[in-house]
Amino acid sequence: KAGVTQTPRYLIKTRGQQVTLSCSPISGHRSVSWYQQTPGQGLQFLFEYFSETQRNKGNFPGRFSGRQFSNSRSEMNVSTLELGDSALYLCASSALTSGGAREQFFGPGTRLTVL
Amino acid sequence: AQTVTQSQPEMSVQEAETVTLSCTYDTSESDYYLFWYKQPPSRQMILVIRQEAYKQQNATENRFSVNFQKAAKSFSLKISDSQLGDAAMYFCAYVPETSGSRLTFGEGTQLTVNP
Repeated sequence: KAGVTQTPRYLIKTRGQQVTLSCSPISGHRSVSWYQQTPGQGLQFLFEYFSETQRNKGNFPGRFSGRQFSNSRSEMNVSTLELGDSALYLCASSALTSGGAREQFFGPGTRLTVL
Repeated sequence: AQTVTQSQPEMSVQEAETVTLSCTYDTSESDYYLFWYKQPPSRQMILVIRQEAYKQQNATENRFSVNFQKAAKSFSLKISDSQLGDAAMYFCAYVPETSGSRLTFGEGTQLTVNP
């Protein structure tokens, strides 16, 4: 099976712009989660989608949003970018079928730099 | 709030030797999962090993094994016969059974393997 793919891999934006990141999960996986990784804050959970519905949301401002499509692909959007949004954004997919937790498989990440 | 603590920011080991990475967590849940992930310089997050809290037997995956002490809320990772390719950042992660795929990560331990 192909792994989790994320596009683009690298992105440079300026403050005030918006950005959309894409994630394609492992075939058959219906749960997609997003994480932000920075040197100062470590790995922080953004949100999780399951069957096109947001199941969990982390403690991030409303500028961060996401969605999931019927084929389980997910996008996250960050509007009005700030310098502090510079980070590695990781997407993970899981074979979650109900409320139970399962291991997550991560994509290679998108490195976002905000200038 | 659930927290995961890795008290060793850096560790080093000689090639072929054994090293143990520590992790403690705080939770009031009884059913949960624990994971160790490895993140090499490529930044790709790789699952190393998982442990279900209801299982008393410690998980083992080839050279990797865990020491799971549920009462003490401790989950250490032992790497035997260390190899140069084991050099990476290692993250301990926790997710309760009822929280879908929302992982809480520790701060990470940077492992160096000396030839």
